Amino acid sequence: LAKTTQPVSMDSYEGQEVNITCSHNNIATNDYITWYQQFPSQGPRFIIQGYKTKVTNEVASLFIPADRKSSTLSLPRVSLSDTAVYYCLVGDSVPYGNNRLAFGKGNQVVVIP
Amino acid sequence: NAGVTQTPKFRVLKTGQSMTLLCAQDMNHEYMYWYRQDPGMGLRLIHYSVGEGTTAKGEVPDGYNVSRLKKQNFLLGLESAAPSQTSVYFCASSSGTGNEKLFFGSGTQLSVL
Repeated sequence: LAKTTQPVSMDSYEGQEVNITCSHNNIATNDYITWYQQFPSQGPRFIIQGYKTKVTNEVASLFIPADRKSSTLSLPRVSLSDTAVYYCLVGDSVPYGNNRLAFGKGNQVVVIP
Repeated sequence: NAGVTQTPKFRVLKTGQSMTLLCAQDMNHEYMYWYRQDPGMGLRLIHYSVGEGTTAKGEVPDGYNVSRLKKQNFLLGLESAAPSQTSVYFCASSSGTGNEKLFFGSGTQLSVL
């Protein structure tokens, strides 16, 4: 039931800023946009959540345009340890029910030395 | 600072055997979830619970049962394991107060031969 579209994979050089996009054309009024990061052999980890405009925390920034039909996760100056799968989720806040937050296939980001 | 703890980390079963996966959280969260992750499939919700004594089906509940007798524990049972249940299983919890941020365990790698 994933309502998002992400690139399957992308590569980036160490030290660069990485921007990961997510399309969610059918986002509903009550939907939030949430990003998770998953390292190999670990469970996903919450990165950031937003509703509109820009949100920033110690790990990343999330840019959401006015129409909210897409979002961009920005990771500043990535290191090798940022190699992971990044999931974009859109939903009405809870991971169950008809409008639940559902995990898609994610975006594999590989950071190259 | 344990968060969400899953046991066991690895298990190999023969077809038809049964087993129980245990999930424990120490954050006093109301909601708990069981997901499975298969290659190229993202995470799919098996069952979830919105409080002690309650359980509900997710996207892929067939072949699994769950129980939430204590608020901190959520058990996932396989009564008669099948090779199709070979997967990585993740437990997660969230506060239940809205705009849910999921906290995941480190996963259980299950192989059914």
